[in-house]
Amino acid sequence: TQLLEQSPQFLSIQEGENLTVYCNSSSVFSSLQWYRQEPGEGPVLLVTVVTGGEVKKLKRLTFQFGDARKDSSLHITAAQPGDTGLYLCAFRSSNTGKLIFGQGTTLQVKP
Amino acid sequence: DAGVIQSPRHEVTEMGQEVTLRCKPISGHDYLFWYRQTMMRGLELLIYFNNNVPIDDSGMPEDRFSAKMPNASFSTLKIQPSEPRDSAVYFCASSLGRSNQPQHFGDGTRLSIL
Repeated sequence: TQLLEQSPQFLSIQEGENLTVYCNSSSVFSSLQWYRQEPGEGPVLLVTVVTGGEVKKLKRLTFQFGDARKDSSLHITAAQPGDTGLYLCAFRSSNTGKLIFGQGTTLQVKP
Repeated sequence: DAGVIQSPRHEVTEMGQEVTLRCKPISGHDYLFWYRQTMMRGLELLIYFNNNVPIDDSGMPEDRFSAKMPNASFSTLKIQPSEPRDSAVYFCASSLGRSNQPQHFGDGTRLSIL
């Protein structure tokens, strides 16, 4: 069974700080997606990474897919209160085609 | 553009009662997914449909849960009878195609079974 482990589970930082959250597995993925979920809302797709070593940037967010396609990281530069939310990584199972989510990292950015 | 619409947003009911959650996917999307989110288990896929046909319901926890999609613009998830352990946030999502296409989530139904 493929599992995604996200770390840390919780992160509370001050506005302006940088942070990195991780998504790891022992399995190889053909692609990985990152979602952000704000309180009271559903998850929203941020990015899909496909190629090993790929780096994608979305404003202050930088996403990296590991060379071996087993892990991914999300780095936020100069975090703002609007970045507060639950960050979820997800992969599509090659066996079932289902989207499998990690448990997520809850980020709180204090003003 | 209207996103995925779920109703009700909140539901509080006593155990044993029937609960029906509703979802209107984004027009033109051919896949519809039902998820459940809890603190303990995270976001879990319950069932998904392709072109209104249930494809995989292996995530449905028990026979008390059932889902239907009578047409391309409407789906229901029903729990009968409901139990306190069913309390969770239930999300509906839709996508155009499957592969790496994004799933668009509704804002969820927060269900509390007393």
